[in-house]
Amino acid sequence: KNQVEQSPQSLIILEGKNCTLQCNYTVSPFSNLRWYKQDTGRGPVSLTIMTFSENTKSNGRYTATLDADTKQSSLHITASQLSDSASYICVVSPYSGAGSYQLTFGKGTKLSVIP
Amino acid sequence: DVKVTQSSRYLVKRTGEKVFLECVQDMDHENMFWYRQDPGLGLRLIYFSYDVKMKEKGDIPEGYSVSREKKERFSLILESASTNQTSMYLCASSLRRTSGLYNEQFFGPGTRLTVL
Repeated sequence: KNQVEQSPQSLIILEGKNCTLQCNYTVSPFSNLRWYKQDTGRGPVSLTIMTFSENTKSNGRYTATLDADTKQSSLHITASQLSDSASYICVVSPYSGAGSYQLTFGKGTKLSVIP
Repeated sequence: DVKVTQSSRYLVKRTGEKVFLECVQDMDHENMFWYRQDPGLGLRLIYFSYDVKMKEKGDIPEGYSVSREKKERFSLILESASTNQTSMYLCASSLRRTSGLYNEQFFGPGTRLTVL
């Protein structure tokens, strides 16, 4: 069964500090992995996408890494801001020759950045 | 920019009522999805549609039905709402392509439904 596990479940950090969120998956065959950010009471918004051949992808202060061999990904947030407080969801897409409709979602990491 | 809109942000209904949640996307996407999101469970797929009048069951279709009469609109129907259907409901849409790179799902803002 395809699964995506994220850790930690929740995290509290001081404004200005860095943090790293983890994602392990068992989806196979694998097409791509996305990190979404979900603000409280809002829908998720895509931050990064990586295919199996990519190791790292940046979006401003967000840097995602991928190790397709160990099936692990991380999202590193640099110099955190209060607006980074949100849930971060790891989403893995299986490869399907007919088109990948369904995604496998992690349960998310809830990040709180405090002043 | 892709825009996915949902008819209500907050909805309060009584047990047994019929509930309609509407979703509209403006980017001519073929695929549309309905999810519910509950604390500790993450997003779970209820139904999806890859074309007009087509629908497929997701992981938790029981107690729900859907309707897609037009490409841009996908409705979720709770025939007889129950308290265990209190949840955040998220609609999403995506292009249909053979390459997985193009299957990004764009989400609406969500509808928080409370069934009393």
